[in-house]
Amino acid sequence: GDSVTQMEGPVTLSEEAFLTINCTYTATGYPSLFWYVQYPGEGLQLLLKATKADDKGSNKGFEATYRKETTSFHLEKGSVQVSDSAVYFCALSEMDSSYKLIFGSGTRLLVRP
Amino acid sequence: NAGVTQTPKFQVLKTGQSMTLQCAQDMNHNSMYWYRQDPGMGLRLIYYSASEGTTDKGEVPNGYNVSRLNKREFSLRLESAAPSQTSVYFCASRASGGAGELFFGEGSRLTVL
Repeated sequence: GDSVTQMEGPVTLSEEAFLTINCTYTATGYPSLFWYVQYPGEGLQLLLKATKADDKGSNKGFEATYRKETTSFHLEKGSVQVSDSAVYFCALSEMDSSYKLIFGSGTRLLVRP
Repeated sequence: NAGVTQTPKFQVLKTGQSMTLQCAQDMNHNSMYWYRQDPGMGLRLIYYSASEGTTDKGEVPNGYNVSRLNKREFSLRLESAAPSQTSVYFCASRASGGAGELFFGEGSRLTVL
């Protein structure tokens, strides 16, 4: 079945460092891809999405490009802030009638001042 | 802007007790979902309801039942709680399929002793 694999965390960075969180997927067809963020004590929020190959999703300085050839959707940010500390989840939308989201295991990011 | 509301936020049960987690959304969404979140495992789908009047099993349905009471409400019931059901439970909804965003509640933390 469909699946999502994320790099294990935690990822610890200093403020203003460059961030990459790797995400690869296995799916039949061409799913939509998502990054969600979970701040402490809260539910998940959509960070960005891409619906077809070569699409780039972006929001709040974060970017991710849908790479069909490498089945990847890596999350990047040029300069992280302390407020970016959270857990990040990569997900894909199954392309059947349910459109269920399949999530990766999550990557915790800790940004130090 | 209530969005997705879950109750209760915290609950402690003894093994064998039953309880129902309530979820309501005020966005007129068709689809609703119940996920559980466990450390290192991301979010796993328990049950979903693609539209009012329908429910289907997800990845980990054993030990749970659901009811789509109406378009707004989707409840999750544990008939005989087990320690393995200790988790954080999230309800989510979305307006339509494909790349439609999933909106999450704040979660319900359940501990089974």
